Formats: sequence, C-alpha cells, structure tokens
Amino acid sequence: GDSVTQMEGPVTLSEEAFLTINCTYTATGYPSLFWYVQYPGEGLQLLLKATKADDKGSNKGFEATYRKETTSFHLEKGSVQVSDSAVYFCALSDDYSSASKIIFGSGTRLSIRP
Amino acid sequence: NAGVTQTPKFRVLKTGQSMTLLCAQDMNHEYMYWYRQDPGMGLRLIHYSVGEGTTAKGEVPDGYNVSRLKKQNFLLGLESAAPSQTSVYFCASSSTSGSYNEQFFGPGTRLTVL
Repeated sequence: GDSVTQMEGPVTLSEEAFLTINCTYTATGYPSLFWYVQYPGEGLQLLLKATKADDKGSNKGFEATYRKETTSFHLEKGSVQVSDSAVYFCALSDDYSSASKIIFGSGTRLSIRP
Repeated sequence: NAGVTQTPKFRVLKTGQSMTLLCAQDMNHEYMYWYRQDPGMGLRLIHYSVGEGTTAKGEVPDGYNVSRLKKQNFLLGLESAAPSQTSVYFCASSSTSGSYNEQFFGPGTRLTVL
C-alpha cells in the first residue's frame, strides 16, 4: 500500500541555518504531496502542497519539489528562525481513494536555537 | 469562522469508562475524519465520513465508534476505554475529493486512560 517515509528527528539547528527534511513516498497512481506543520499545542496546518510531478510548493520561505523519478518531496528552507520550531509531517493523498484519505509520515521534530 | 473545533481539550478516564469526543466544523465541508497521534507514529486514521449519515472505517477502528447525524458534527465514541487508547485525538475536515485534498485540523483532545 501507499506509504510515506521521512527523516527521523529530532533535528536541532541554529538560527539562520539551512534546513532539509527528507521525505520519500511509495504510491500507486499519481498522488498529491503535502507538508503539514504542527506548532506546540496546536493541530496540524497545511504548509505547502504539490499536485503533479515537477511542481514546487512554497510558503513562508519553505519549498519542496515533487520528484517523481526519485519519489521524493524534500522540505527545504534557506534560513530558519526560532519560530520555525515545530513538528513537520510529509503526507500524500492518492486519487484512487473515495474519501481523499491522507497518509502521513511519522513526523520530524525541528528545534531552532537562537 | 471558527474552523474545526473539538470538545473537550483534555480528559482523564479510568479503564472501562466511556466517553464521546465532539468535533464541529463551520466550513460546510462534506468530509470529516478522526485521527489519533502517538509518539513516533504520525497520525493514523480511525474513522471517516464522506457525508451526513455515512461513516467508514479507517486504519485503526477497533474500540471506537462514530456518528455523523449532522453535516457539521462528527462524534467519536469510546464504549469501554483501555490504556492503549491513551493518545491525542485530532478531527479534520475537507471539502474536496480526489488529489487536491486539503484537510483542516482541530486543536486536538488529549486523552489519558488509567
């Protein structure tokens, strides 16, 4: 079945460092790919998405490119801030589902030091 | 708009007790979902609904029941709570099917079963 594998955490970086969180997926068909973010004590929020191969999703300085050839959707940010500290989830939604169910990775906790 | 709200925010139960978690959304979304979040395991789908009066099982449905009597509400019930059901529960809703799904999440309910 479909699955998402993402980089295990926790990840600790200094402010202004470059961030990469790796994500790879297995899916039949042509899934949409997402990154969700969960700030402390809150529910998940959609950070960015890409719906077809070579699409780049971007938001709040974060970017991820849908790479069909490597089945990857790595999250990047050029200069992280303390406010980026959160848990990040890679996810996919396949188009064969009758209810648009989303499959989530296990999450990567990111901590940014001032 | 309040978005997706969940009641209660916290609850402690003893083994064998029952309870109902309430999820409400004011976005007129057709689809609603219940997830549980456990450390290192991401989010797992418990049950979902594609419309008023309909429900379906997700990945981990055992020990839970749901009802969708009104479009805006989705209830999750635990008939006889067990310590293995200690978790954080998230409700989500979405308005579209297919590959362009974005789910909107509530703030979560932290449940402890002693």
